[in-house]
Amino acid sequence: AQKITQTQPGMFVQEKEAVTLDCTYDTSDQSYGLFWYKQPSSGEMIFLIYQGSYDEQNATEGRYSLNFQKARKSANLVISASQLGDSAMYFCAMSRPWAGNNRKLIWGLGTSLAVNP
Amino acid sequence: DVKVTQSSRYLVKRTGEKVFLECVQDMDHENMFWYRQDPGLGLRLIYFSYDVKMKEKGDIPEGYSVSREKKERFSLILESASTNQTSMYLCASSLRGGSEAFFGQGTRLTVV
Repeated sequence: AQKITQTQPGMFVQEKEAVTLDCTYDTSDQSYGLFWYKQPSSGEMIFLIYQGSYDEQNATEGRYSLNFQKARKSANLVISASQLGDSAMYFCAMSRPWAGNNRKLIWGLGTSLAVNP
Repeated sequence: DVKVTQSSRYLVKRTGEKVFLECVQDMDHENMFWYRQDPGLGLRLIYFSYDVKMKEKGDIPEGYSVSREKKERFSLILESASTNQTSMYLCASSLRGGSEAFFGQGTRLTVV
């Protein structure tokens, strides 16, 4: 079954430190994509970073990097130099083939990150 | 920047009412989505549209319908609102299948 697992319901990190949010996935598809989104308390879902299943290099976007370990089926998000504004829910998602040429996102249940000053 | 706009941030409706949630995107995206988000259940796909007048049922379409008469606008309709449809509703759009989705600010619907 296609599934995303985020094992950390809540995480705390000190401001300016790095933090890793875990994501494991289960799929039998050869082609898939992995996404991370941030949802602040305001509710809007914000796209952070993407990794394709055939990408050999780990994706990076500013302070965000994705630690992609294909054999272990993990796609952990690393946030460097945490800021107070990073406090939010973080969701991992996986795209898979669906409905002809379309793709569907499978979502994890999220990790709540709190950054302490 | 891509902008996805949902017509309301907060909405309170009575049981049995017909409810319309509107979503507009300004980047000519092919795909549009409606999700609902509930604590402990994550995001669940209600409906997806990949072109004007085209739609696919998601994981939880019961009690909902959708309309996409123009490319930029995707409406979610609750035919007869019930209390178990109290939830956060999120609209999203993406350029094509597999590309990142951009979300609206969400509509928190309460059915009383």
